Amino acid sequence: NFMLTQPHSVSESPGKTVTVSCTRSSGSIANNFVQWYQLRPGSAPTTVIFEDNKRPSGVPDRFSGSIDSSSNSASLTISGLKTEDEADYYCQSYDANNHLLFGGGTKLTVL
Amino acid sequence: EVQLVQSGAEVKKPGESLKISCKASGYSFTTYWIGWVRQMPGKGLEWMGIIYPGDSDTRYSPSFQGQVTISVDKSINTAYLQWNSLKASDTAIYYCARHDQGWRVGYWGQGTLVTVSS
Repeated sequence: NFMLTQPHSVSESPGKTVTVSCTRSSGSIANNFVQWYQLRPGSAPTTVIFEDNKRPSGVPDRFSGSIDSSSNSASLTISGLKTEDEADYYCQSYDANNHLLFGGGTKLTVL
Repeated sequence: EVQLVQSGAEVKKPGESLKISCKASGYSFTTYWIGWVRQMPGKGLEWMGIIYPGDSDTRYSPSFQGQVTISVDKSINTAYLQWNSLKASDTAIYYCARHDQGWRVGYWGQGTLVTVSS
């Protein structure tokens, strides 16, 4: 099986752009779709990106997703940062048994 | 509108049993996998397993196989997560999660906090 590794934390100022990475330990990142979830304290997770780079309706286009085969990683990029973007972000993919796998989560601080 | 409404917070003692629920509405319950995700205090999300209400096909993460039971009652569009003997390490928030095409979570419940303490 493989693991998804995320940085523990990232921080950036309001209005700036931040990128959160999610590196797959084995097998190609392109083999299985990657999703990104936002988790704010006291709230249920919400999807901000699905199938590598698609945004659910209602998610602002400040959020974008991509994959990079050269680094075997997926990335979540948030531009025009707002204080409301401060949250934990999790990447998720799935294995050959269709079991979901989550990354360890990244705490985004907007300061 | 798809909704997953979970049962309320629970406080239990080690060794006790527990069954928490997730009532689904707004979609055809029997045609989507539904499962559970754990978040221990200060930790990340962990996928526990899923069930297909149409035929009760159930799959567990190896980490949770034998530790919990996932079930459904199709007549009331409700999924369950059950423990026979709780441990302090079961203290966590448990999220109900409807799985959509592409093996992802499309909809989440609001979470159920389970506290196990003597």
